[in-house]
Amino acid sequence: EVQLVESGGGLVQPGGSLRLSCAASGFTFSTYWMAWVRQAPGKGLEWLANIKQDGSEKYYVDSVKGRFTISRDNAKNSLYLQMNSLRAEDTAVYYCARGPVRGGGDCWGQGTLVTVSS
Amino acid sequence: DVVMAQSPLSLPVTLGQPASISCRSSQSLVYSDGNTYLNWFQQRPGQSPRRLIYKVSNRDSGVPDRFSGSGSGTDFTLKISRVEAEDVGVYYCMQGTHWPWTFGQGTKVEIK
Repeated sequence: EVQLVESGGGLVQPGGSLRLSCAASGFTFSTYWMAWVRQAPGKGLEWLANIKQDGSEKYYVDSVKGRFTISRDNAKNSLYLQMNSLRAEDTAVYYCARGPVRGGGDCWGQGTLVTVSS
Repeated sequence: DVVMAQSPLSLPVTLGQPASISCRSSQSLVYSDGNTYLNWFQQRPGQSPRRLIYKVSNRDSGVPDRFSGSGSGTDFTLKISRVEAEDVGVYYCMQGTHWPWTFGQGTKVEIK
């Protein structure tokens, strides 16, 4: 069974950092583009970043460019999102999704909540 | 960024009746490879989004055939032929043609 499980969310102060993880199982992780998408409480969806199978290509939406870094470890079947300089508006549930990403991702995790507040 | 405009934003439907959601993009979604990367997602209350339709009209595995997608260029539609209780939730269109990928505002489907 294809499964994506996010972890690492929590409460962080403005200006702080957090690293999210997404553990993949049930498929050959190294052969898929992966992505992070977020959803602010009670709001819609925002696609944040994509990463190619070997990590050689990465794309970011402007709202997180320079602050967030997407990465992966194919040996550990894991996707990561390093989030720095966090702001209140980064408060959201963060989902990882499996590519092909132009198709929006055919499998999403259950999400992990990040709350940025003092 | 490409703006995805959905309508209506709220859709009360009677069980067993059809429902239709419109999605319009601010630019053509035809990609250079000839494909149109317009996708539809369902988000049931308290759950993660689930993809229903990819590339305009292709149903994902396990998606009931009462769901169908159509359209071209900048104008797209998701139809539910007969709404069932389990269809309650928010539906999003999403484009994967122009970076950054963008979603519509969402359409909340509820039972009358």
